[in-house]
Amino acid sequence: GESVGLHLPTLSVQEGDNSIINCAYSNSASDYFIWYKQESGKGPQFIIDIRSNMDKRQGQRVTVLLNKTVKHLSLQIAATQPGDSAVYFCAENPPSRDDKIIFGKGTRLHILP
Amino acid sequence: EPEVTQTPSHQVTQMGQEVILRCVPISNHLYFYWYRQILGQKVEFLVSFYNNEISEKSEIFDDQFSVERPDGSNFTLKIRSTKLEDSAMYFCASSKRGQETQYFGPGTRLLVL
Repeated sequence: GESVGLHLPTLSVQEGDNSIINCAYSNSASDYFIWYKQESGKGPQFIIDIRSNMDKRQGQRVTVLLNKTVKHLSLQIAATQPGDSAVYFCAENPPSRDDKIIFGKGTRLHILP
Repeated sequence: EPEVTQTPSHQVTQMGQEVILRCVPISNHLYFYWYRQILGQKVEFLVSFYNNEISEKSEIFDDQFSVERPDGSNFTLKIRSTKLEDSAMYFCASSKRGQETQYFGPGTRLLVL
């Protein structure tokens, strides 16, 4: 079946350090992945996406890595700031389904002062 | 920057009543979606809508749910005869095309008493 999951429900990181949030997926045919950030009481906010023809993509302070061999992707946040505190979801757009996004359970990122 | 908007932000209703949740997708987007998030859980896909018809729906989206695009800007989710378990955050999203970035609205918090 289709599933996307995160390894840890919570992650605490010192302010200024780099954060790495991991995600595993089960469908080897999956070809589009997205990371969303959700702050308390708000909707999911798009951070970055990656397609299966790439293994790395960089944005502003964020990098997504995709390892298709082990069906794993990660989100790296450089120089973590208090505003990065949120729940981070990896999500998958399954193959042959143009529309549906399947969300993982989320990792809550705590920033320590 | 264009955003998806949703109204109302909060809705309290009695069990068995009908509710209509409203969304204004980003203006040049062609695909529209509804998702829900029960408190503390992951975001779940409900339905996608394209070219004035449902293109995909989940098993959650049963006969009590319906969607409509009544005019050129609004996209609505109707829940007939609400149940206690319908209490959740409901998010609208839109994308330019299928399998492209979906942008989410701020959500409507629905509480069924």
